[in-house]
Amino acid sequence: GENVEQHPSTLSVQEGDSAVIKCTYSDSASNYFPWYKQELGKRPQLIIDIRSNVGEKKDQRIAVTLNKTAKHFSLHITETQPEDSAVYFCAASNSGYALNFGKGTSLLVTP
Amino acid sequence: NAGVTQTPKFQVLKTGQSMTLQCAQDMNHNSMYWYRQDPGMGLRLIYYSASEGTTDKGEVPNGYNVSRLNKREFSLRLESAAPSQTSVYFCASSGRTSYGYTFGSGTRLTVV
Repeated sequence: GENVEQHPSTLSVQEGDSAVIKCTYSDSASNYFPWYKQELGKRPQLIIDIRSNVGEKKDQRIAVTLNKTAKHFSLHITETQPEDSAVYFCAASNSGYALNFGKGTSLLVTP
Repeated sequence: NAGVTQTPKFQVLKTGQSMTLQCAQDMNHNSMYWYRQDPGMGLRLIYYSASEGTTDKGEVPNGYNVSRLNKREFSLRLESAAPSQTSVYFCASSGRTSYGYTFGSGTRLTVV
């Protein structure tokens, strides 16, 4: 089955800096790659996703890049703010099947 | 719209007791899922239902059963709770054309 590895497990940045979280996946048939943000005590919420026919996608301060050849994808957050502090999860699936999640990255943005 | 509704929000069970976690969605989604979340382990799939009338095992199905009651509802049953089942349980659903999940608010279960 699909195995998704996520790094780093914790990340601390200063407000205004950029943050990058990286994930690798094992199943070459995977073609859908979402990212979720989970604040403490809350449910995970979808923040951005990318499909395998696209190499990069941006939404304001967040962007995701995908390298299908190397089987890795990354989340980039620019101009970080304290409210970006949360746990971020990457995931992968073959469209229409269940998502396999990475173990999460705890991001702390310090003022 | 309520989205995905899970009940209960909190539960304490004694070892060996049984209980059912309820999940309902009002988004006309075809697929529904149950995950458990443990510290440092991410979200692990217990069971899923790709469409009404079908269910499949995920990564960690032992000790659980599921029922897809209709298109809206997908329940998770613990027949004989064990302390290893102490976790936060999330139900989620997804549509045919958009694969992103909508999660419920979670159930925090403690087995003593």
